[in-house]
Amino acid sequence: NAGVTQTPKFQVLKTGQSMTLQCAQDMNHEYMSWYRQDPGMGLRLIHYSVGAGITDQGEVPNGYNVSRSTTEDFPLRLLSAAPSQTSVYFCASRKGPAEAFFGQGTRLTVV
Amino acid sequence: AQSVTQLDSQVPVFEEAPVELRCNYSSSVSVYLFWYVQYPNQGLQLLLKYLSGSTLVKGINGFEAEFNKSQTSFHLRKPSVHISDTAEYFCAVSPYNQGGKLIFGQGTELSVKP
Repeated sequence: NAGVTQTPKFQVLKTGQSMTLQCAQDMNHEYMSWYRQDPGMGLRLIHYSVGAGITDQGEVPNGYNVSRSTTEDFPLRLLSAAPSQTSVYFCASRKGPAEAFFGQGTRLTVV
Repeated sequence: AQSVTQLDSQVPVFEEAPVELRCNYSSSVSVYLFWYVQYPNQGLQLLLKYLSGSTLVKGINGFEAEFNKSQTSFHLRKPSVHISDTAEYFCAVSPYNQGGKLIFGQGTELSVKP
């Protein structure tokens, strides 16, 4: 069991570039989420999914897109990166109200 | 909508002293409640959770928390802290009717000094 796997671990983008952060889980969890972590602001929910084909916006969805075509994968897309999107991004998966399992994070810098 | 407020951004404490990290929440529906810990440069791991039943819940590493519905609080306590408890602690809620949603507070940095 790998748990929740995020790639890449580090990324530097130029303003306006696009990229996809990958997240995969092998625990057959129906719930998956993306968060960004910024100093003093905790983890803020970007988007979440309750199953394949179903996604919803979280607290800070602007500038990010998601889709969920399979139970295992939940990629996060930045269509046109901005310096304000410099952050650490975490993917998480859960089965119902049980604990969430987190990936190790992606540190993204937009210059 | 839900929100979580952690009342202290930083808590310095001496080793073997007791500690309380405070968490209040706001929600129009019933919620599940969680505390997570994050050690430097790592992801988050679950300390404890309240789903139902007894309002006093025990977690890993000697931590416990008490759910108070009337005060909408879920404070985390430990009777005697160790240097290894130095980390950031996050309170989180998940609404009953939106199980996929997990909302976090701003975090409390616990610093244990010898």
